[in-house]
Amino acid sequence: GEDVEQSLFLSVREGDSSVINCTYTDSSSTYLYWYKQEPGAGLQLLTYIFSNMDMKQDQRLTVLLNKKDKHLSLRIADTQTGDSAIYFCAESSAGNNRKLIWGLGTSLAVNP
Amino acid sequence: EPEVTQTPSHQVTQMGQEVILRCVPISNHLYFYWYRQILGQKVEFLVSFYNNEISEKSEIFDDQFSVERPDGSNFTLKIRSTKLEDSAMYFCASSAGWNEQFFGPGTRLTVL
Repeated sequence: GEDVEQSLFLSVREGDSSVINCTYTDSSSTYLYWYKQEPGAGLQLLTYIFSNMDMKQDQRLTVLLNKKDKHLSLRIADTQTGDSAIYFCAESSAGNNRKLIWGLGTSLAVNP
Repeated sequence: EPEVTQTPSHQVTQMGQEVILRCVPISNHLYFYWYRQILGQKVEFLVSFYNNEISEKSEIFDDQFSVERPDGSNFTLKIRSTKLEDSAMYFCASSAGWNEQFFGPGTRLTVL
């Protein structure tokens, strides 16, 4: 079945770039998403990329998609302490009513 | 900015009791979803709802679960006879179309 995997932890220094990686198995994935969850809060949609794109940039966020390797990454430039959160990768396929398949989440710690 | 709201934020119940989790999706959205996240596990899809009927449900969504849109604004998840393993964070989401699902802050359900 479909599966999404992420590394569990990432620690970076404030001002550095963070790169969070994700792999997925479903070759029919249509959209790939990054959600952010701050402590005690809900799931905030950060950005998403359509599967026919290689890259999407949105201010400090850059999403790279390697469809051949089924690899997705999220780069956060100039990481700030406010970026400390759990980042979830998720994918959906066109044929299954848009349900999202989730990774376990990567906990990003930003050190001053 | 419109947002998805959920009530209550925390529900404690005894095993075997019925619970109803409530959600108010974003007003012009047409697709509605429930997901859950058991502590330490991946977010899991439960059900999607469109045009007043279930579009898709997961294996988790058995006869103990039901969803309803009782009026033009609310979307509810009912668990008829709760089990210990139903303890989780339950997230409601809504979307206007294929791509962006917006999530509520979640309801933490604790079954004793």
